[in-house]
Amino acid sequence: GAVVSQHPSRVICKSGTSVKIECRSLDFQATTMFWYRQFPKKSLMLMATSNEGSKATYEQGVEKDKFLINHASLTLSTLTVTSAHPEDSSFYICSAKSSTGIIWGSDTQYFGPGTRLTVL
Amino acid sequence: QKEVEQDPGPLSVPEGAIVSLNCTYSNSAFQYFMWYRQYSRKGPELLMYTYSSGNKEDGRFTAQVDKSSKYISLFIRDSQPSDSATYLCAMSNNQGGKLIFGQGTELSVKP
Repeated sequence: GAVVSQHPSRVICKSGTSVKIECRSLDFQATTMFWYRQFPKKSLMLMATSNEGSKATYEQGVEKDKFLINHASLTLSTLTVTSAHPEDSSFYICSAKSSTGIIWGSDTQYFGPGTRLTVL
Repeated sequence: QKEVEQDPGPLSVPEGAIVSLNCTYSNSAFQYFMWYRQYSRKGPELLMYTYSSGNKEDGRFTAQVDKSSKYISLFIRDSQPSDSATYLCAMSNNQGGKLIFGQGTELSVKP
C-alpha cells in the first residue's frame, strides 16, 4: 500500500516550452499533495502544497504563475512548468499525504519516484 | 542557523558495521520525526516514523528521538551494501504539516 507514481520519469524539452508532470496516489486517497524540487546532493525544497479542490499554497520565492499546480481529484495532482528555461532543470518529486494512517501514523507523506526535467 | 542540521557525509563503512546517522534541530515544536532512504535518482522511501520522544525498532533499523537535546538518530545494524543510499531526516510540528528535511547523509556500505 501507499504507492505514489509520477509521469513522466524523465523529460527533455526546449527552452520556452511547457512541461506537465503528473503525480498519482495509486492505492489511497490523498487530500493533500506536495511538490518538491531537489538539486544534486541537496535536500528537498518544498515548492507548494496542493489541496484537492482548492488553490495550491506556494512557498516563499516560488513563482505560482510559472509552476502551475492543479489537484483535480483525490488521486491526481499535476505540476506544469510554463515557459521552461535551463535554470528550471531539476529533479521534481511529489508526495501524497494519506489521512487514514495506512502503514505508519496518519498524515505521513509518501513520495513518488521523481521526474528529471532537462531544459535545453 | 538551519532548522534541521544533518552531516552530509559521505559516510563509508564495511559490511556488517553498525551505522549511526544523526540530525539536530532547533524548533522545539517539532513532534513528528521521520527517516527516509533515497537511492540515486529515485524518490525518498519512508523508513521510520516516530511521534515525540523514545525509540522505535523495525528489523535492523532503530530510530531514537531525544527531544530534550533536540537530537534524533537512526541506527542500522548489520549494514549491507544494499543499504548504500542517502538518508534524510525529516520532521514536522503537526499532523499533515510541512516537512522540514535535513540535507541528507550519503552512506556507502562496502562489501
